[in-house]
Amino acid sequence: AQSVTQPDIHITVSEGASLELRCNYSYGATPYLFWYVQSPGQGLQLLLKYFSGDTLVQGIKGFEAEFKRSQSSFNLRKPSVHWSDAAEYFCAVGEGGTYKYIFGTGTRLKVLA
Amino acid sequence: SAVISQKPSRDICQRGTSLTIQCQVDSQVTMMFWYRQQPGQSLTLIATANQGSEATYESGFVIDKFPISRPNLTFSTLTVSNMSPEDSSIYLCSVDNIFGGTRGGYTFGSGTRLTVV
Repeated sequence: AQSVTQPDIHITVSEGASLELRCNYSYGATPYLFWYVQSPGQGLQLLLKYFSGDTLVQGIKGFEAEFKRSQSSFNLRKPSVHWSDAAEYFCAVGEGGTYKYIFGTGTRLKVLA
Repeated sequence: SAVISQKPSRDICQRGTSLTIQCQVDSQVTMMFWYRQQPGQSLTLIATANQGSEATYESGFVIDKFPISRPNLTFSTLTVSNMSPEDSSIYLCSVDNIFGGTRGGYTFGSGTRLTVV
């Protein structure tokens, strides 16, 4: 069965520092991969997605993610974090041929001024 | 991408009562999805709402507890019935954005934060 692991429950970074949030998946074929952000009291917003092609994908709000098949990873990065990036981030995988997505347990990001 | 209006945004309910959550989409979609996010947890799919047929429930979720309606291609409701404190969660509806046969990821409603006392 496919699964998604986000090893870091909480991450704290200083404003202006770089950020990397980890995501590992378990799936036999190339999956659909997504990152979502949930700001406090809000629903989830899609940051970026990967289906095929270029393994480095750009998203909204200055985020990017890199698909590494050899490591079964899809890590989210941002070169310089802003205080407004404080939120919870979810990685998700969608299995081809079905309509379901599996979500990771999330990483809560705290940004220090 | 689709835009979803979900309401209510939050509610505090007495145990034993029921709450109906509504989601309105600005475009016609075949499937709508209902998720639960328990405090500090990830998202768990409750059911898939298909227009013109009964909803498809995931393991651990039953129609008597979470009845779903899907009267047309832009609207769905989820009812949380006979509530207990364990039902306190955020409930989210979503649709899958599909472009030219390629899945574009979910658009979510803003969520309903339910507290059962």
